[in-house]
Amino acid sequence: AQKVTQAQTEISVVEKEDVTLDCVYETRDTTYYLFWYKQPPSGELVFLIRRNSFDEQNEISGRYSWNFQKSTSSFNFTITASQVVDSAVYFCALSEETGNTPLVFGKGTRLSVIA
Amino acid sequence: DVKVTQSSRYLVKRTGEKVFLECVQDMDHENMFWYRQDPGLGLRLIYFSYDVKMKEKGDIPEGYSVSREKKERFSLILESASTNQTSMYLCASTASEGAYNEQFFGPGTRLTVL
Repeated sequence: AQKVTQAQTEISVVEKEDVTLDCVYETRDTTYYLFWYKQPPSGELVFLIRRNSFDEQNEISGRYSWNFQKSTSSFNFTITASQVVDSAVYFCALSEETGNTPLVFGKGTRLSVIA
Repeated sequence: DVKVTQSSRYLVKRTGEKVFLECVQDMDHENMFWYRQDPGLGLRLIYFSYDVKMKEKGDIPEGYSVSREKKERFSLILESASTNQTSMYLCASTASEGAYNEQFFGPGTRLTVL
């Protein structure tokens, strides 16, 4: 069975600090997809990134970066120089090889960035 | 802009009422999903559909049913609402073509059952 664990329930940082959100997953599939979504206070989930299991390259997009390590089954998300607008709930998710099957979500990490 | 819309942002119903939550997508997506979000539990899959008139149970289907009569519309039905169905309901859709598709989510419906 697939499982996603986000051990950090809530994190609070001061603006401009760097913060890393942890995600550990379990799957028996050799091909799978990992996602990060952001849920701001408005409630709508916003897609941030997807990664397939064959692509272990780290990715950077502006202040966001993702570290995928198959050896530790982790897909961690770092925000550099955090801003108040980064305050949200962040979800890590996993899907089977087709990529079109239902997502298995972690329980989410609530990030509060304080000015 | 791709769009998934849900019929209501906020809904208040009474115990025992039949409740319909509607979801419409304009992206011609084959796959549609209903999730429920509760504090501390994340998102849990209720039902999903790969095609018109087709449905599959998710992890927590009890107390719910679905209808997909048209490709763009996926309805979640609470046959007899109960207080433990008070929650945020999120609809999502994704295409079948390709193997690398993220799900697009609607804004959610916050349902309160009194």
